[in-house]
Amino acid sequence: KAGVTQTPRYLIKTRGQQVTLSCSPISGHRSVSWYQQTPGQGLQFLFEYFSETQRNKGNFPGRFSGRQFSNSRSEMNVSTLELGDSALYLCASSLEGTGVADTQYFGPGTRLTVL
Amino acid sequence: DAKTTQPPSMDCAEGRAANLPCNHSTISGNEYVYWYRQIHSQGPQYIIHGLKNNETNEMASLIITEDRKSSTLILPHATLRDTAVYYCIVVNNNDMRFGAGTRLTVKP
Repeated sequence: KAGVTQTPRYLIKTRGQQVTLSCSPISGHRSVSWYQQTPGQGLQFLFEYFSETQRNKGNFPGRFSGRQFSNSRSEMNVSTLELGDSALYLCASSLEGTGVADTQYFGPGTRLTVL
Repeated sequence: DAKTTQPPSMDCAEGRAANLPCNHSTISGNEYVYWYRQIHSQGPQYIIHGLKNNETNEMASLIITEDRKSSTLILPHATLRDTAVYYCIVVNNNDMRFGAGTRLTVKP
């Protein structure tokens, strides 16, 4: 079974631009979560989508948004990029994500550099 | 905030067992203990998880104390490729809060 895939793997943008990252979950997984990883803050939860609805949200500004499609693929968007948005963005998928703990499987990440 | 406490770094000799401790003294009855590892900015890799009982799989063993306030991840025969940051996470309803983890260095 194929793992979680993320595209693109690397991205360079300039301040003020916007960016869209894509995540394809493991086949059959319906929950997709997004994380930001920086050297200073570590791994931080952004949001989780299930059945095309945002179900959980971390403590990030409204410039960070996402969506999920009917095939469970997800995108996240960052508008008005700032230098501090430079990070590794990770996507993780799981089967259902409710009730009992449901193992999340991570993709390789997208390395975003903001100049 | 992360609900776990781990030592920031540990060393282990190649071929020996690596025992990574984790404290989770505020864990609730329905919360699981999960372990992931991350090798040099790759995506975190799932290792093992447990609720109350000890667990073992092809990668590692997880020992959870009877009061569930701490656990230990055991890599039985560490190799150089096990050098990574290991995260212990308490999970409920898919809510995963990562701490700083333990940087394990396996030395020849």
